[in-house]
Amino acid sequence: AQSVAQPEDQVNVAEGNPLTVKCTYSVSGNPYLFWYVQYPNRGLQFLLKYITGDNLVKGSYGFEAEFNKSQTSFHLKKPSALVSDSALYFCAVRRGAAGNKLTFGGGTRVLVKP
Amino acid sequence: EAGVVQSPRYKIIEKKQPVAFWCNPISGHNTLYWYLQNLGQGPELLIRYENEEAVDDSQLPKDRFSAERLKGVDSTLKIQPAELGDSAVYLCASSEGGKADTQYFGPGTRLTVL
Repeated sequence: AQSVAQPEDQVNVAEGNPLTVKCTYSVSGNPYLFWYVQYPNRGLQFLLKYITGDNLVKGSYGFEAEFNKSQTSFHLKKPSALVSDSALYFCAVRRGAAGNKLTFGGGTRVLVKP
Repeated sequence: EAGVVQSPRYKIIEKKQPVAFWCNPISGHNTLYWYLQNLGQGPELLIRYENEEAVDDSQLPKDRFSAERLKGVDSTLKIQPAELGDSAVYLCASSEGGKADTQYFGPGTRLTVL
């Protein structure tokens, strides 16, 4: 079985400060890892993914994530948060090749205060 | 490029009534997914199609839920009869298929069962 844990229900950060959203995963074999963002009354928007290669992955809107195999983590980061980054963020994992189920974490709400 | 289209965006029905949701995936995407998202939680896969074939429907409650993708493009998800516990957001996603493919989500249909 595969699973994703997002230990923080909510993260509060001041605008301009660094933002980190934590994610740990459990899966057999090589993990494919994804981050999505969801704004109110909208579907999930793809931010970035890790498949293989460089552990630091850069994505949309200035976000990046670092894959750490030993800690089974894939934390999402942004050096300088914007008020418009306030949203719900989901981490997801899939075991290897296509066709395997994508399992989502419970989500972390990010609130960026001006 | 147009994204995943879903309709209706919102639906309110009384319990025991039938309801149907429609999804048009991104052009050229052979794989289509239906997810259920309860409030404050991550999406959970209901069914996955490869072209016309439902290749993973293990999480679909088949006593009341059904889905079809007759021509390998548009898909319909139906609930009959609806129960109070079916109130949720129903998300459709599509992907090109193959290794490392990314799922792209529609805006979802928010169902309220009274």
